[in-house]
Amino acid sequence: AQSVTQPDIHITVSEGASLELRCNYSYGATPYLFWYVQSPGQGLQLLLKYFSGDTLVQGIKGFEAEFKRSQSSFNLRKPSVHWSDAAEYFCAVGAGQAGTALIFGKGTTLSVSS
Amino acid sequence: EAGVVQSPRYKIIEKKQPVAFWCNPISGHNTLYWYLQNLGQGPELLIRYENEEAVDDSQLPKDRFSAERLKGVDSTLKIQPAELGDSAVYLCASSGGLAGTNTGELFFGEGSRLTVL
Repeated sequence: AQSVTQPDIHITVSEGASLELRCNYSYGATPYLFWYVQSPGQGLQLLLKYFSGDTLVQGIKGFEAEFKRSQSSFNLRKPSVHWSDAAEYFCAVGAGQAGTALIFGKGTTLSVSS
Repeated sequence: EAGVVQSPRYKIIEKKQPVAFWCNPISGHNTLYWYLQNLGQGPELLIRYENEEAVDDSQLPKDRFSAERLKGVDSTLKIQPAELGDSAVYLCASSGGLAGTNTGELFFGEGSRLTVL
């Protein structure tokens, strides 16, 4: 069955410290992978996506993610976290075709301490 | 370009009452999705439309939920009657674009938060 697992429900990071959010997926075909961010009371905003080519992808707001096929992982990283990064982060997988739904993980809540 | 527009943003109703949510997708996007997001959870697909056709409604609780997209543009999701467990955020998303450029990215609205008392 297709699924996405985000092992960490809640992570707290000090401002300025580095961040890594984990994502593992189970998908029968070549996966198209996404990271979305959701601030309180807001919809989901796309941070970055991977569908082919270089396995290290850059996104908005200084985020990057690395696709590792052997580990079925797509972890999100940021070298220096800002207080404004506090939000809910969702990893998602899809078929990468027009009109196919994405399957989301349960999310990781990021808190940033000063 | 305008994003996905949803209304109302917030709705509080008593149980057994009906409620409806409206969504206007990004212009030109043929595919429209309704997702359910419970507190502390990721979005879960309720229904997917290709133009006016519901192509995946397997997760829609059809005893009380209904949806329509009559002209293949905006869509309405209805719950009748609402139950306490329906309290959640209902997200609308759309996707589309030119052939060969669509990688399946979904564009989301801000959601409609439902509270059932």
